[in-house]
Amino acid sequence: QKEVEQDPGPLSVPEGAIVSLNCTYSNSAFQYFMWYRQYSRKGPELLMYTYSSGNKEDGRFTAQVDKSSKYISLFIRDSQPSDSATYLCAVGAQKLVFGQGTRLTINP
Amino acid sequence: DAGITQSPRHKVTETGTPVTLRCHQTENHRYMYWYRQDPGHGLRLIHYSYGVKDTDKGEVSDGYSVSRSKTEDFLLTLESATSSQTSVYFCAISESVLLEQFFGPGTRLTVL
Repeated sequence: QKEVEQDPGPLSVPEGAIVSLNCTYSNSAFQYFMWYRQYSRKGPELLMYTYSSGNKEDGRFTAQVDKSSKYISLFIRDSQPSDSATYLCAVGAQKLVFGQGTRLTINP
Repeated sequence: DAGITQSPRHKVTETGTPVTLRCHQTENHRYMYWYRQDPGHGLRLIHYSYGVKDTDKGEVSDGYSVSRSKTEDFLLTLESATSSQTSVYFCAISESVLLEQFFGPGTRLTVL
């Protein structure tokens, strides 16, 4: 069993839709949780970072962590074509472990 | 990209040849990492460094070695390249294990 599981998609939605991306993890020792965004042929860049259970909001993006269920989510509101990218979840203690990434396309 | 360069950006090589990839940072961050990215596997840690001459293995270290003789440079060497090492390689840096990792632009390696 992988330490972090993420549905690879691909996921295609119309512009303006609410997008939900999810990951599950197996090790309760993981203390911090991140979402990275990766555009085609580029390196990943940090989108959201949280330590605790609950929600963290940044503009159109909301990261949600449920430590009891070992489940993390990223919500994108009012999705835009510029949000089209691969989204990677990452969980960490001493090292980061990444999910497989979900390829998202927002159609105009 | 936060002061991180990788070289070369693209390389095609033959099975059995040695290959060295270079990561250079201008941020003076203590931690440096090498990952590989393959379809269906996401990013997997190969090796990392927590200081000059201090390195440790990651999840997929077999067939790879690293060296860090200066804070700014972290080298990844494939001693004898195999086709299974065809991948995109990313270098990352961070000030602390608990803080954000900044990624370089990647090196696309093809082993024929």
